[in-house]
Amino acid sequence: QKEVEQNSGPLSVPEGAIASLNCTYSDRVSQSFFWYRQYSGKSPELIMSIYSNGDKEDGRFTAQLNKASQYVSLLIRDSQPSDSATYLCAVKANAGKSTFGDGTTLTVKP
Amino acid sequence: EAGVVQSPRYKIIEKKQPVAFWCNPISGHNTLYWYLQNLGQGPELLIRYENEEAVDDSQLPKDRFSAERLKGVDSTLKIQPAELGDSAVYLCASSDRLNTEAFFGQGTRLTVV
Repeated sequence: QKEVEQNSGPLSVPEGAIASLNCTYSDRVSQSFFWYRQYSGKSPELIMSIYSNGDKEDGRFTAQLNKASQYVSLLIRDSQPSDSATYLCAVKANAGKSTFGDGTTLTVKP
Repeated sequence: EAGVVQSPRYKIIEKKQPVAFWCNPISGHNTLYWYLQNLGQGPELLIRYENEEAVDDSQLPKDRFSAERLKGVDSTLKIQPAELGDSAVYLCASSDRLNTEAFFGQGTRLTVV
């Protein structure tokens, strides 16, 4: 079992819809959680970070964290074709070790 | 503010040859990471530095890979000798504190033929 699990997808949503991306992790002492977006042939780009239980909103993006369930999610509202990319979930423990999932590929269809 | 800078962007070498990658982190970032990313997979940590000290190199194949971060700023990652299976994208990232977000450079795409 991988330390950080994501559905590989592809996840396909129509333009304007809500895209929901999920991530589970195995290390209970994890403290920091990040979502990165990676376009094909490019490097990962940070879009959200979350450190405490609950929701964190930034524009069209909302990150949700539930440490008891070891679950973190990313919602993208009003999805646009430019959101089509691979979304990577990353988890950090207190010791600074960072582990990435293999990503979920999102396609937003016009 | 300049981001993380890596060079070269692309490198093609023959197997058994040496290769080196260079990374300049964001100014003031004490933590530097080298990751390897294969197609369709997430980045995998090779080594993490806190200033000039390598604090996590458990995933670095030490028989052929080496890294250094002299003076706690720039870093180089070396492979000698390269194998076909080393073909991947090598990513450098930096962060300013232990548990904060990491920012990635553009990566070096290595092809071993």
